[in-house]
Amino acid sequence: SQTIHQWPATLVQPVGSPLSLECTVEGTSNPNLYWYRQAAGRGLQLLFYSVGIGQISSEVPQNLSASRPQDRQFILSSKKLLLSDSGFYLCAYQGALTGNTIYFGEGSWLTVV
Amino acid sequence: GDSVTQMEGPVTLSEEAFLTINCTYTATGYPSLFWYVQYPGEGLQLLLKATKADDKGSNKGFEATYRKETTSFHLEKGSVQVSDSAVYFCALRNLAGGTSYGKLTFGQGTILTVHP
Repeated sequence: SQTIHQWPATLVQPVGSPLSLECTVEGTSNPNLYWYRQAAGRGLQLLFYSVGIGQISSEVPQNLSASRPQDRQFILSSKKLLLSDSGFYLCAYQGALTGNTIYFGEGSWLTVV
Repeated sequence: GDSVTQMEGPVTLSEEAFLTINCTYTATGYPSLFWYVQYPGEGLQLLLKATKADDKGSNKGFEATYRKETTSFHLEKGSVQVSDSAVYFCALRNLAGGTSYGKLTFGQGTILTVHP
């Protein structure tokens, strides 16, 4: 079966510190991968998507970057966090067996202080 | 571009009441439509989906019908429970024009609170 995991689940980071959120998918090959952010007020915004290893597209300019070093691994990073980076970050995937459906991970709560 | 509009919340109901959450969309071509649910402190879970006009998605007592003529995908449940309290998101995925990544476009979400 296909599963998606992301970590850490929660973290509190000071302004100016680096960030690394990791997401892995199991049970499928060459998935489309996505990073979404849900800021306070619950709106969901697509940050990055990837259709293959090393292929990253950004939807909005921001303080964050993404990388896909392996087929089923997607990493969200920042060199220096801003207060406005606080939010709930969701990794998602669409695989060969999911049809047209995108499935989400458990989410990571980031608080920048 | 594509867009999804949900009814404004929050929605507060008593247990066993009838639920409707309205959702309308704007998109070119023939998008697939989804409802996701987010329970407190958790990620999004797929609730139901419909991939073509007149399809009805259903799950856990919830239903929604893909109405192309009215560009709507309203969520309904005949008798809500306290455990249904969550945030509900309507979304569409449009592969028109050969877009391979097919991102989800979300509505703003509707908070549902069900009281005993």
